[in-house]
Amino acid sequence: EIVMTQSPATLSVSPGERATLSCRASQSVSSSLAWYQQKPGQAPRLLIHGASTRATGIPVRFSGSGSGTEFTLTISSLQSEDFVVYYCQQYTDWPTFGQGTKVEIK
Amino acid sequence: QVQLVESGGGVVQPGRSLRLSCAASGFTFSRYAMHWVRQAPGKGLEWVAIIWYDGHNKYYAESVKGRFTISRDSSNNTLYLQMHSLRAEDTAVYYCARDRIVGSAGYYFDYWGQGTLVTVSS
Repeated sequence: EIVMTQSPATLSVSPGERATLSCRASQSVSSSLAWYQQKPGQAPRLLIHGASTRATGIPVRFSGSGSGTEFTLTISSLQSEDFVVYYCQQYTDWPTFGQGTKVEIK
Repeated sequence: QVQLVESGGGVVQPGRSLRLSCAASGFTFSRYAMHWVRQAPGKGLEWVAIIWYDGHNKYYAESVKGRFTISRDSSNNTLYLQMHSLRAEDTAVYYCARDRIVGSAGYYFDYWGQGTLVTVSS
């Protein structure tokens, strides 16, 4: 099983600032990496796939980068609705998720 | 628009069975692989199972293999998860999710239902 590790567990950022979330895979997943956003009481929403391709309807302030074992989700200017939880997921093997990063208001 | 609506959750005793359903609409159900993903209360996400678009291939997480069965009925656009020998650790919100890739399986998910809660407790 490929283990996905996200850091930090909690990220404190001020509205309007940039947030950088990290995800590391225990072995190379090439670019088979997706990011999801989950609001309280809601299902996850696909943000990014292929490590850097925004899903349909996702604002341009969300961007993904990386390949192999190191990945980053960047939110360029945090809006109020962005202060929620984010998960990475690899799909080069049986799907596995990171434990999540909560983005909170500083 | 794409809609996935789960049902069938509830409270069940350890060792008993339960069947979940997911009604799909707004897309050609028979062209997409479908998944079940679960989330224990306050925890992260765990992939559970996949069934390919044609129903011929089914795969399971090790944690549920031999106890859960995924199936689909393309005549009424419904996905199922039959769960047997339930354990306390199966307690979770169960989501059905559509695979993003048409006619194959990418193993990532572009649409999710709202989830149905399964609680295994005596």
